[in-house]
Amino acid sequence: DAGITQSPRHKVTETGTPVTLRCHQTENHRYMYWYRQDPGHGLRLIHYSYGVKDTDKGEVSDGYSVSRSKTEDFLLTLESATSSQTSVYFCAISAYTGSGTEAFFGQGTRLTVV
Amino acid sequence: AQSVTQLGSHVSVSEGALVLLRCNYSSSVPPYLFWYVQYPNQGLQLLLKYTTGATLVKGINGFEAEFKKSETSFHLTKPSAHMSDAAEYFCAAYNTDKLIFGTGTRLQVFP
Repeated sequence: DAGITQSPRHKVTETGTPVTLRCHQTENHRYMYWYRQDPGHGLRLIHYSYGVKDTDKGEVSDGYSVSRSKTEDFLLTLESATSSQTSVYFCAISAYTGSGTEAFFGQGTRLTVV
Repeated sequence: AQSVTQLGSHVSVSEGALVLLRCNYSSSVPPYLFWYVQYPNQGLQLLLKYTTGATLVKGINGFEAEFKKSETSFHLTKPSAHMSDAAEYFCAAYNTDKLIFGTGTRLQVFP
């Protein structure tokens, strides 16, 4: 599983509050990603990182920010949570496995905004 | 921008029938291509991938996919469906640092 841990696994929060989700990896992979999964939309890329303090936007970045101050941690922050951000969030890393690049995923965080 | 299209959000087959899940990508440069499976309330598991070399790729659980550059396709097949194959399947393409997913196809298998 490439040593990926997401926390928390479940969270309920109120509209307008800030929320931070954490992704931790143990194998010093350079690339890390945050996705959200919603019915009918598959997984959509929110933000990704290609190194410490190097991040870029994905296709659904509005309302989200990220930070990566050390290789092993990639934080996703919802600055002011809205009901439309209720979703399942997945963190992923990409790694070269010897037969090509492959993505490995965390177990997901189910976020409910009420 | 790169995109991945999965035709058919739901596919239903009988147990023992052929499974065909369709995926097309748009990219001027052939990307790395992947199929992932997600069982209910679980994370994503890699079924198979195409990077370079042989265009027919075999994966786990009897699935295989063929990369066809001329058709920009990477369709997933399995000769004989099992009940345990019921899940959601995602096609994805990796190019220039990003892994982009299709919208998914939910496979139902009837006895």
